Amino acid sequence: DQQVKQNSPSLSVQEGRISILNCDYTNSMFDYFLWYKKYPAEGPTFLISISSIKDKNEDGRFTVFLNKSAKHLSLHIVPSQPGDSAVYFCAAAVGGSNYKLTFGKGTLLTVNP
Amino acid sequence: KAGVTQTPRYLIKTRGQQVTLSCSPISGHRSVSWYQQTPGQGLQFLFEYFSETQRNKGNFPGRFSGRQFSNSRSEMNVSTLELGDSALYLCASSWATGAGANVLTFGAGSRLTVL
Repeated sequence: DQQVKQNSPSLSVQEGRISILNCDYTNSMFDYFLWYKKYPAEGPTFLISISSIKDKNEDGRFTVFLNKSAKHLSLHIVPSQPGDSAVYFCAAAVGGSNYKLTFGKGTLLTVNP
Repeated sequence: KAGVTQTPRYLIKTRGQQVTLSCSPISGHRSVSWYQQTPGQGLQFLFEYFSETQRNKGNFPGRFSGRQFSNSRSEMNVSTLELGDSALYLCASSWATGAGANVLTFGAGSRLTVL
């Protein structure tokens, strides 16, 4: 049973435009959400996170939105740059002391120059 | 500050063999987690160690095991290898408690191929 779903395996965007990556979850116990970025031959790198007490968190070009009622979160990248081309993983956790992250299968973002 | 170091980076084994992978966490990080990444299943949690004790375990068979040493370094072992064990094995470390504890820092992984 996949508790974190990224339904788009890939996304292609033009440089300078907005990239929107989506993630849905089924476990209502999740209260902390993270986005990781992964380049080939490297480990995932933490990008941004959000606690369930918030509905938006912003860090430079990256903004994560959380809709708890819909069990949906999204990552917005504005403006998109070719260096953003990578696989993006959505992850979720239960409680601050539980270090088991449940990951989605990832979305390959390609930003075209 | 050195990152999470995993060795070996690449290895090839045959069915039935066993393998041991090593992970050195970021200095000061006391929690070490292991994940398996495959094309079909994505990243799946294997187990997490803190102070030499396994605190969490994912849904993997007993052939997958791990341990953590007093210096927080960790090893994972897979016995009686199967073709389906071919994957990228990722180690991650984090602070044990407090703000940001859920933020894992990953190593580059150990790519295991089982023939």
